[in-house]
Amino acid sequence: SQQGEEDPQALSIQEGENATMNCSYKTSINNLQWYRQNSGRGLVHLILIRSNEREKHSGRLRVTLDTSKKSSSLLITASRAADTASYFCATATYAGNNRKLIWGLGTSLAVNP
Amino acid sequence: KAGVTQTPRYLIKTRGQQVTLSCSPISGHRSVSWYQQTPGQGLQFLFEYFSETQRNKGNFPGRFSGRQFSNSRSEMNVSTLELGDSALYLCASSPGLAGRGSEQYFGPGTRLTVT
Repeated sequence: SQQGEEDPQALSIQEGENATMNCSYKTSINNLQWYRQNSGRGLVHLILIRSNEREKHSGRLRVTLDTSKKSSSLLITASRAADTASYFCATATYAGNNRKLIWGLGTSLAVNP
Repeated sequence: KAGVTQTPRYLIKTRGQQVTLSCSPISGHRSVSWYQQTPGQGLQFLFEYFSETQRNKGNFPGRFSGRQFSNSRSEMNVSTLELGDSALYLCASSPGLAGRGSEQYFGPGTRLTVT
């Protein structure tokens, strides 16, 4: 089963609006990462937030992490058509000596001009 | 720096055959991870190699194997191909272990179709 589950599965907004997508996970994590994937640039790392952090910013991106609720949110402000992509969260978990990233199925974001 | 390269980009194989995919990481990166991406299952972690050693492994059958060479280049092999192996196979390189939070840089992927 997926560790990270993004919500919503699909989102359609107008240029200039904000987009919020959520990620829930099931087990304790070391860190949580957000990635973007589009046909032009492939899969690209956006931001990493560690389990002891609550909020991080990077340009128009804002990520929050609530470990008590096992959830994270990614906010894209003032969206642009170029933000159209699929967004994935990936959680880094520990299972004994096995440390790996587990990915959600993604949120498909469409920003309409 | 040159990005992550994967060869071939597209591949068509028949059931029962085997296939080898190649990945060249960013210069200086010691970790290479492999993922399988399908519409229904999303991104599934296959394995991660660091300094020629497999450090982490996902839940895939033994038909999926990999290795890493001393120059950090990596290969992934799938034997006895099944129709369900049709997918986009992504390789990612990172300076350190991905599971510890090292940022991953992805290649364009190899699109494998099994008929």
